[in-house]
Amino acid sequence: DAGVIQSPRHEVTEMGQEVTLRCKPISGHDYLFWYRQTMMRGLELLIYFNNNVPIDDSGMPEDRFSAKMPNASFSTLKIQPSEPRDSAVYFCASSSTGGGLLYNSPLHFGNGTRLTVT
Amino acid sequence: AQKITQTQPGMFVQEKEAVTLDCTYDTSDQSYGLFWYKQPSSGEMIFLIYQGSYDEQNATEGRYSLNFQKARKSANLVISASQLGDSAMYFCAISRRNLIFGKGTKLSVKP
Repeated sequence: DAGVIQSPRHEVTEMGQEVTLRCKPISGHDYLFWYRQTMMRGLELLIYFNNNVPIDDSGMPEDRFSAKMPNASFSTLKIQPSEPRDSAVYFCASSSTGGGLLYNSPLHFGNGTRLTVT
Repeated sequence: AQKITQTQPGMFVQEKEAVTLDCTYDTSDQSYGLFWYKQPSSGEMIFLIYQGSYDEQNATEGRYSLNFQKARKSANLVISASQLGDSAMYFCAISRRNLIFGKGTKLSVKP
């Protein structure tokens, strides 16, 4: 099992540019999560999907952020336009409930994308 | 709303000794899960242990055990026989419809 794969590992961009982060979940997992980690705010849930459908996007900071999951094996998180305060590590995670309950299924995390906006 | 509190920003433990990392939570749900994750300096998030709210026995996974006290809403992680490789950030998390994390505890194991 390859695990959750995120790309790129590092992204440096200038303020105002569009940034797209990518995630390939573990095959067969039915939930996908996007988290953001900063020193000040810790790990924040941005959005999560169940069977490719967004369930809760209340953590998305503002309209500059958007996430899509066009199929079961791919998701993107896009920031347009990017700002310096978006600098953080962005994690994608997936989980398999096997049709059961989400709350007893551990999340498997990717290695994260470290985003720096100058 | 769910909330996780980890009151120890940092802790030190001597190698080979046991250490307890505190976690308290707040939820109005009857069914929920509690998780602990480890984040070493390399940055990845590693799942350690899970406890369900209806589990009567405390969860154990190798050197990790979870001291679950439901009435007190606490889910402390106990690491036995600490190793240098245990030095990392440790996050407690609660799950119902999603997974909410605490701020973490930085554990440093001294040789």
